[in-house]
Amino acid sequence: IQLTQSPSYLSASVGDTVTVTCRASQGISTSLAWYQQKPGKAPKLLIYRASTLESGVPSRFSGSGSGTDFTLTLSSLQPEDFATYYCQHFRSLPLTFGGGTKVEIK
Amino acid sequence: EVQLLESGGGLVRPGGSLRLSCAASDFTFSDFAMGWVRQAPGKGLEWVALAKSTSTERFYADSVEGRFAISRDNSKSTLYLQMNSLGVDDTAVYYCAKTRITGWHFDHWGQGTLVTVSS
Repeated sequence: IQLTQSPSYLSASVGDTVTVTCRASQGISTSLAWYQQKPGKAPKLLIYRASTLESGVPSRFSGSGSGTDFTLTLSSLQPEDFATYYCQHFRSLPLTFGGGTKVEIK
Repeated sequence: EVQLLESGGGLVRPGGSLRLSCAASDFTFSDFAMGWVRQAPGKGLEWVALAKSTSTERFYADSVEGRFAISRDNSKSTLYLQMNSLGVDDTAVYYCAKTRITGWHFDHWGQGTLVTVSS
């Protein structure tokens, strides 16, 4: 199962709302997770089962979708949100990640 | 707080071997499947291998099948990755990661250990 993320890069300002898309090559129900990674750091789980917010993650992060099309929405961007975001499916093996979306400050 | 501490990375020549370890603490290690995920310099994340919690079932990405072996010692709360026949394309930061009961997504990650394959 291939995951295609778009865009691969986006530029936004503090306070903006941005959306990242992840498309699966076949249906994966809601077996999708989203991660945030900052330079030099390990990824951090944000959302699992497509829309369930991980404990401790701010509510400005939200996820939606099922089947093949998924979105991660970052509302009211904060300075600490500028990072790279990855989707990952866990419907079956092999597990795969999307190519990543780098969110940079405009 | 869950902690995962990798060790064993370093510089190795092409064709060589290396064994990574991941010491886990503050959770019941034997209850969870554990995995390795790698990230080549400047690249995205790539799943490498997964070991189920108590069974002997092991799973690998095609890119490492037959060369890498994941294992675990539940009595020591430690995960391993034996890497053989290393090539330059295996150069990456290797992360140990814990899965969830709800599925094979990773809720905790180690800090990573760098493996550099170069002559």
